[in-house]
Amino acid sequence: NAGVTQTPKFQVLKTGQSMTLQCAQDMNHEYMSWYRQDPGMGLRLIHYSVGAGITDQGEVPNGYNVSRSTTEDFPLRLLSAAPSQTSVYFCASSTTGDEDTQYFGPGTRLTVL
Amino acid sequence: KQEVTQIPAALSVPEGENLVLNCSFTDSAIYNLQWFRQDPGKGLTSLLLIQSSQREQTSGRLNASLDKSSGRSTLYIAASQPGDSATYLCAVKGTYKYIFGTGTRLKVLA
Repeated sequence: NAGVTQTPKFQVLKTGQSMTLQCAQDMNHEYMSWYRQDPGMGLRLIHYSVGAGITDQGEVPNGYNVSRSTTEDFPLRLLSAAPSQTSVYFCASSTTGDEDTQYFGPGTRLTVL
Repeated sequence: KQEVTQIPAALSVPEGENLVLNCSFTDSAIYNLQWFRQDPGKGLTSLLLIQSSQREQTSGRLNASLDKSSGRSTLYIAASQPGDSATYLCAVKGTYKYIFGTGTRLKVLA
């Protein structure tokens, strides 16, 4: 049982490049989400999904796309990277019940030059 | 719009002290509140979850309380140890959305 895994751990991009951050979970959780963490701003929700084929926007969705074709995977796509997207990105999963906690991945540190 | 605030932003205490971390939120319509621990360069680990109908939860030396009507939660750490040094974050759950506070960075001195 690996929990929530994220790849890559580190990434450097140039402005305008695109890339996909991968997230996978093996706990059969319906709910998956992406956050970004910036100094002094806590974690902010980018996108979330309550099941395969269902996604919705969080607080800061601009510049990011997601899809959920399987229960296990929830990739985050940066369409055209900008320096403002330099951040640490975390993926999390949980059941959709109100008593269940979120499990977080180890994070991806992204730098956009 | 839900806003979550954590005070203090940073705290340094000697080993053995009991301490309280605070979390406040502006909208009382929440499903649960969770406290997390984050070590430098790592992901978040859940410590305690309090459902909206509950008043407190305990795990070992940790006790978290929730007062929905006043929009407040506290995390009490008993007999602090250097291994407790980390950033502690609270998060409230609305409808499918979690809103996080900015965290309290705790340092316990040996």
